[in-house]
Amino acid sequence: NAGVTQTPKFQVLKTGQSMTLQCAQDMNHNSMYWYRQDPGMGLRLIYYSASEGTTDKGEVPNGYNVSRLNKREFSLRLESAAPSQTSVYFCAGASSYNSPLHFGNGTRLTVT
Amino acid sequence: EDQVTQSPEALRLQEGESSSLNCSYTVSGLRGLFWYRQDPGKGPEFLFTLYSAGEEKEKERLKATLTKKESFLHITAPKPEDSATYLCAVQASKSDYKLSFGAGTTVTVRA
Repeated sequence: NAGVTQTPKFQVLKTGQSMTLQCAQDMNHNSMYWYRQDPGMGLRLIYYSASEGTTDKGEVPNGYNVSRLNKREFSLRLESAAPSQTSVYFCAGASSYNSPLHFGNGTRLTVT
Repeated sequence: EDQVTQSPEALRLQEGESSSLNCSYTVSGLRGLFWYRQDPGKGPEFLFTLYSAGEEKEKERLKATLTKKESFLHITAPKPEDSATYLCAVQASKSDYKLSFGAGTTVTVRA
């Protein structure tokens, strides 16, 4: 049982490059989330998907787009990476809106 | 705006030395307060959910309590394997899918 799987684990981009972070879950979660974690700050919500076919902005959506491809997969795209997007990105899933989150192990992204 | 402040930022303990972590919060209508544990290089792992003032939950050496303004995570007789960053998060009644996280307390337990 893999849980929440994120790929890649590490990535280095140059400013202006684009990339997609992948997330897949096998826990039958209805809702899925993308967070970023920066030193000295709490996890901040980028986007979430309450259910298959829906997506909504979180606290820090600028510079990102998401796709809920199906119930299992939720991807995060950076169209034109900026150094301010250097961070650790976590995907999470939950059964419902007030259930505990199950997190993946993160993607460590550096933008130079 | 919902706010969560955790203190201290870092805590160094000797094995067996009990202590407490604090999570102070401001939220308009608390739906739930969550505690997570995060090991280096890993994603946060769920520990507890607390819903109302006076509620307490325990798991091994950890005990979480909740008042109307703050939550405490008590670590009793810690072991080196309790070393981790502990995160607190709150969900407001009006925010169905959004959690506000604190920055965390990093606990180091020395043998």
